[in-house]
Amino acid sequence: QSVLTQPPSVSGAPGQRVTISCTGSSSNIGAGYDVHWYQQLPGTAPKLLIYGNNNRPSGVPDRFSGSKSGTSASLAITGLQVEDEVDYYCQSHDSSLSGVVFGGGTKLTVL
Amino acid sequence: QVQLVQSGAEVKKPGASVKVSCKASGYRFTGYYIHWVRQAPGQGLEWMGRINPNSGATNYAKKFQGRVTMTRDTSINTAYMGLSRLTSDDTAIFYCTRGDYGVNKPQSYWGQGTLVTVSS
Repeated sequence: QSVLTQPPSVSGAPGQRVTISCTGSSSNIGAGYDVHWYQQLPGTAPKLLIYGNNNRPSGVPDRFSGSKSGTSASLAITGLQVEDEVDYYCQSHDSSLSGVVFGGGTKLTVL
Repeated sequence: QVQLVQSGAEVKKPGASVKVSCKASGYRFTGYYIHWVRQAPGQGLEWMGRINPNSGATNYAKKFQGRVTMTRDTSINTAYMGLSRLTSDDTAIFYCTRGDYGVNKPQSYWGQGTLVTVSS
């Protein structure tokens, strides 16, 4: 059971917009800690996709964006492409656990 | 360019210990945390802890306290993660990552992962 809750799967058609939620609590996201997002292609290490809630590292397309409000955060992907069909994870910090926490991951299916 | 290169796959018996290495290059090794993250087959990411390569100070996730040991050798820019009393539940890919000093900084670089298989 992950401290941060993500939907196991989301889907969308090519060109559409999808969002992936990441729900926490008052000891992590709700306490003001930033949320980071990672993208993991099959058989490879995760890659940083969004940091500090809504910032993209160099090279990440602006189709990807993040937001945070209250005890939750969201990753939005617009103009869905077939290559977006991979796994996504959110990450934050939890003060009760005194450490990094991840969401359980979301598999995106592009229909 | 920043690189984290990990040691090769391991097969261990239940009850044994494993030590995975992570060699850093392309940046000042003592300037960033090294974190360790576990991913069981088909499962999500699980943070195990981190080491400050400059001081050697460690922070371990409560779940792994007592079983995990993180060390470093600054002379060869290498961090190590040791895990003892292995069970089949420890079969996983272990990743080392680089993170800025501070609380809740993103993990910007990842090693290629090391598969540890625990089987009798």
